[in-house]
Parts: sequence; C-alpha cells; structure tokens
Amino acid sequence: GENVEQHPSTLSVQEGDSAVIKCTYSDSASNYFPWYKQELGKGPQLIIDIRSNVGEKKDQRIAVTLNKTAKHFSLHITETQPEDSAVYFCAASLGGGGFKTIFGAGTRLFVKA
Amino acid sequence: NAGVMQNPRHLVRRRGQEARLRCSPMKGHSHVYWYRQLPEEGLKFMVYLQKENIIDESGMPKERFSAEFPKEGPSILRIQQVVRGDSAAYFCASSPQASGSSLTSEQYFGPGTRLTVT
Repeated sequence: GENVEQHPSTLSVQEGDSAVIKCTYSDSASNYFPWYKQELGKGPQLIIDIRSNVGEKKDQRIAVTLNKTAKHFSLHITETQPEDSAVYFCAASLGGGGFKTIFGAGTRLFVKA
Repeated sequence: NAGVMQNPRHLVRRRGQEARLRCSPMKGHSHVYWYRQLPEEGLKFMVYLQKENIIDESGMPKERFSAEFPKEGPSILRIQQVVRGDSAAYFCASSPQASGSSLTSEQYFGPGTRLTVT
C-alpha cells in the first residue's frame, strides 16, 4: 500500500527565514497531495494542496512543489513568523476507484522570534 | 457556515466501558472519514463513510470498533470494551465529493475527541 515519509521530524528556524519540509510517496497512482497545519489541541487545517497535473502551486508565503517522476513533494514557507509554529503534515491520496489518504508522520516547526 | 463538529471534545472511560464519538460534517458534505492520532504521531486512516454506507473500513480494527453514518444525524464511531491502548485523539473529516473520482476532494477536519482510558 501507499507509504508517505516526511522529513525532517523537527525543524527550527529564525523568524524571517524560510522553512522547507519534504515528503516522498510510494504509490505512483496517488494524484492529490494536501498539506495540513495542526496547532496544539486542534484539528488539522488544510493550508495548501496540489494535484498531480501541476508541478507547483503558490499561495502568499506558502508554496508546494511536486515531482511525479521522483515521487516527492515539498512545502516551502517563506518569511516565517512565530505564528507559523505548529506541526505540519503532508498526505497523499489515491483516486480512481479506491479511497485512501495516507499521512506523513509530521514535522514540528519552531519559528524563533 | 459551521465547520466539522465533534463531541465530546474530551471523553474519559474506564477499561471495559464503551466510547461513542460523534461527528457532524460540514453543511452540504455527505462523506465522512475517521482518523486516529496517537501522541507525537501522524493521523491513521480508520474508515470512510457516505450516508448509510461504509465505503472503506480497512484501517479500522475488526473487533470492538464500528462506525455508522445514518441518513439523519451525526456519524458515530463506537469503541466497545475500551482498553488503555485506545487512548488517542480521534478526528473526523468531511468532504463534499466522492473520493473515488479522479478529482479527489479536500477534507476538512473537526477539532477531535480526546479519549482517555483509565
């Protein structure tokens, strides 16, 4: 079945710096790749997603890139702020007849003021 | 437009008791998903339901766990004869479109129910 690996598990950056989180997936049939932000005591919140027919998507300070050949995708946060501190999860989803969304193990991001 | 609602937010049960977790999807959403999250870990898929149907329960333990999404009312995740290992946060998500289509829909998560088994 699908397996999603996420790195790093912990990331500490200085306010204003960029943060990059990387994920790889195993099933080439996956066609939807969402990213979630989870703050302490809350449910995951969808922050950006990308579908397999595009290679890059940007929303203000957040961007996601997808390399289908290598089966990896990345989250880029620029100009980080303390409120970006949270746990970030990548996920991969299979389409076309069967449902599965598999999540990575998460990256705990600390943004130091 | 209210988001996904889950209750209770916190639930304490003694070993052997039953736990019932409820999830009301976002308005207009007819697809519900349940996930389990252990401390410091990612979310593990448990079950996917549409109204009155279980579509995929491959992530749900065969024994003691069951889920339903009736025509009227919230989706229910039921855990019978709870054990300490069931202690976790259980999240529900909903989406407006079938996930079996080529265009997979976004899932919106509720705040979770934190189950503690003593």
